[in-house]
Amino acid sequence: SSELTQDPTVSVALGQTVRITCQGDSLRNYYASWYQQKPGQAPVVVIYGKNNRPSGIPDRFSGSSSGNTASLTITGAQAEDEADFYCNSRDSSGDHVVFGGGTKLTVL
Amino acid sequence: QVQLQESGPGLVKPSETLSLTCTVSGGSISGSSYYWGWIRQPPGKGLEWIGSRYYSGTTYYSPSLKSRVTISVDTSKNQFSLKLSSVTAADTAVYYCVRENYGDNVFWFDPWGQGTLVTVSS
Repeated sequence: SSELTQDPTVSVALGQTVRITCQGDSLRNYYASWYQQKPGQAPVVVIYGKNNRPSGIPDRFSGSSSGNTASLTITGAQAEDEADFYCNSRDSSGDHVVFGGGTKLTVL
Repeated sequence: QVQLQESGPGLVKPSETLSLTCTVSGGSISGSSYYWGWIRQPPGKGLEWIGSRYYSGTTYYSPSLKSRVTISVDTSKNQFSLKLSSVTAADTAVYYCVRENYGDNVFWFDPWGQGTLVTVSS
């Protein structure tokens, strides 16, 4: 079982705002990073750290963290945002890497 | 920009050793602040970190795979490799090579290779 917990499925109406969460004790000490994976493609990092977006990632993607929960927010979701999203961080020991189980985002 | 490309057999027999190589282009594998690693994804399932290695030797592995995994780096070829021994059908997955970047209290994987499917079957 993963030390980072994500909701398996989330849906959002086109153009609306959606928050995808990731919970785990290690998030009290380490920032999460977020990855978007579309079918048949490798994951792509969309947010890392406090709220850093790699070049080329739309500014509708943002990240935040509070206590043991990290969040990825998509403001004004687009059809092309439909994908699986994974968070990752350290495990509770700080020595290893863990991924959340993933959230399948559906844009209605 | 840096690009990664996995190579290796797509079919491995049970109990044998899975071997994959990742070729790094557009940058040096000896660069500071980077580890080089492997992540896998069984068909229809989530991502699983396998392990990471700094070019000069520091290595860390997933506790669940540690007894079977070796990650090595060849700076002369700008490549790094994965060996996973005693494979079973449960090791069937798409294997990705990645660069692990570091910042203040944060790390992230970017870029990723395109991934290569390895099937364990007799």
